[in-house]
Amino acid sequence: AQSVTQPDIHITVSEGASLELRCNYSYGATPYLFWYVQSPGQGLQLLLKYFSGDTLVQGIKGFEAEFKRSQSSFNLRKPSVHWSDAAEYFCAVGTGFQKLVFGTGTRLLVSP
Amino acid sequence: GAGVSQSPSNKVTEKGKDVELRCDPISGHTALYWYRQSLGQGLEFLIYFQGNSAPDKSGLPSDRFSAERTGGSVSTLTIQRTQQEDSAVYLCASSSGTSNTGELFFGEGSRLTVL
Repeated sequence: AQSVTQPDIHITVSEGASLELRCNYSYGATPYLFWYVQSPGQGLQLLLKYFSGDTLVQGIKGFEAEFKRSQSSFNLRKPSVHWSDAAEYFCAVGTGFQKLVFGTGTRLLVSP
Repeated sequence: GAGVSQSPSNKVTEKGKDVELRCDPISGHTALYWYRQSLGQGLEFLIYFQGNSAPDKSGLPSDRFSAERTGGSVSTLTIQRTQQEDSAVYLCASSSGTSNTGELFFGEGSRLTVL
């Protein structure tokens, strides 16, 4: 069965600094990969997704993620973090008709 | 409505009581999911409905939990004889299409507190 690991529970980044959130997945074939964001008091929102093709995908709010098959990773990046990016970020893996499995999330704190 | 609607938004109940949580997905979406979000536990999959197929119930934690989806639209998650460990936010999501290529649209959740 597929699984997702987000090794960092919390990350603190200074405003304006770069960000990388880690995500590793376990699945035998190429899965569909997603990053979602949950801002305080709000529902989850899709940031970006990967199905096939170009391994570097662009999302909303200036985020991007790179699929690395050899490392079974799909890390989320942003070159310059804004205070409004403080939220919880979830990586997810899906395979066709089967359920979407989420990681445990990484809480991003942005310091002034 | 325009988005996924869940009710109630907050529910406080006593241990041993039954509760029902409702999800109204986006019109026309064939897939519907229930997840549970507990503090520090991420999103725990509960159940997945896809069209007329038999639901994937593999995530339901015990036989006290059940869910149904009537007419391919509204879904109800029922928890019988609630326990304190059932306290969590229950999230519903829906998506269009017949496979996981599309975006899941989440409701704002139903926060359940079991005293």
